[in-house]
Amino acid sequence: AQSVAQPEDQVNVAEGNPLTVKCTYSVSGNPYLFWYVQYPNRGLQFLLKYITGDNLVKGSYGFEAEFNKSQTSFHLKKPSALVSDSALYFCAVRAWNNNDMRFGAGTRLTVKP
Amino acid sequence: DTEVTQTPKHLVMGMTNKKSLKCEQHMGHRAMYWYKQKAKKPPELMFVYSYEKLSINESVPSRFSPECPNSSLLNLHLHALQPEDSALYLCASSQVAGGTEAFFGQGTRLTVV
Repeated sequence: AQSVAQPEDQVNVAEGNPLTVKCTYSVSGNPYLFWYVQYPNRGLQFLLKYITGDNLVKGSYGFEAEFNKSQTSFHLKKPSALVSDSALYFCAVRAWNNNDMRFGAGTRLTVKP
Repeated sequence: DTEVTQTPKHLVMGMTNKKSLKCEQHMGHRAMYWYKQKAKKPPELMFVYSYEKLSINESVPSRFSPECPNSSLLNLHLHALQPEDSALYLCASSQVAGGTEAFFGQGTRLTVV
């Protein structure tokens, strides 16, 4: 079965600095990888996905993620963080042949002014 | 329309009550999901429907009963719940398999008293 790991419960960055939220995955075959963001008492909002093709994926709100097959990683990045980026971020994986989408434990991002 | 609509937004029910959560989407998605999310935890997959048929049941207790009456609607029937079932219940939809992302509703905040 597929799984993802987010090794950091909490990431703190200063506004204007680059941010990275880490994710590693485990899946049989080619993975479909996703990043979602969740604000308090809300559902999950889709940010970006990797299916195939370029390893650098660009998504919503200036976020991007880099797929690294050899390291089985899919880290979320943003060149310049905003205070409004503070939220809970989830990495998710789905195998190519089913609808079983699994989420990582989540990383709380805090951007300080 | 990229919206998944869940009703009600909030629900308080006693342990002897019967209630239902509803979810609706009009994106033509043929995969629909129920997730349970406890505070500060990732969403946990409960059920997946593909083409209106139950394809995944993550060993969910029978007091939770899903129903997919047509391709746009997904229900979750609740009966004899326990206080530990209190959580945010999220509905999502996507295309069946493939690399498409899932779209999430805002969730139903359920409190069992």
